[in-house]
Amino acid sequence: AQTVTQSQPEMSVQEAETVTLSCTYDTSENNYYLFWYKQPPSRQMILVIRQEAYKQQNATENRFSVNFQKAAKSFSLKISDSQLGDTAMYFCAHNMLTFGGGTRLMVKP
Amino acid sequence: DAMVIQNPRYQVTQFGKPVTLSCSQTLNHNVMYWYQQKSSQAPKLLFHYYDKDFNNEADTPDNFQSRRPNTSFCFLDIRSPGLGDAAMYLCATSRRLAGGADTQYFGPGTRLTVL
Repeated sequence: AQTVTQSQPEMSVQEAETVTLSCTYDTSENNYYLFWYKQPPSRQMILVIRQEAYKQQNATENRFSVNFQKAAKSFSLKISDSQLGDTAMYFCAHNMLTFGGGTRLMVKP
Repeated sequence: DAMVIQNPRYQVTQFGKPVTLSCSQTLNHNVMYWYQQKSSQAPKLLFHYYDKDFNNEADTPDNFQSRRPNTSFCFLDIRSPGLGDAAMYLCATSRRLAGGADTQYFGPGTRLTVL
């Protein structure tokens, strides 16, 4: 069975600074997808970024990028130039089937 | 331009009274998922459909059933809701199983209260 672990229940960052959210996972599959989702207080889950396991290049979407270490089964999310609107719960997910426990990110003005 | 619609947004039911939550999509995605999310917790997958193929998670209680009459609609039936079933229920879609390379969309959720 796949498991996803987010070791940071809560984090905070000053506006305009950079923050990294950690995620580790366990899977026996060789090809899979990893996702970071954002869930603001309104609770609509939104896809932030995805990574295909067979691609070595780290995915990037504007201010969001990942550090994907397949051998280490690590998939961290880096948010650059943090904005107040980035305040939310962030979930790491393996495929769309298993989610980590979430990290609550607070961006402070 | 809502793409994944969940009705109702808020549902109140009584202990033991059956309830049905609905989800519809305008994306023509093959896969539809139902998740249960309790307060401050991660979404927990209950089951998913790949086209008409139903996939139940091993630890999903028998109390939870689902129907997908066509590509656009999927229903979650809770046959005898207990207090522990109070949660947000999220519906999601994707073109391919496990998300694939295509965008996934979540609905806004239905918050279920059990009295």
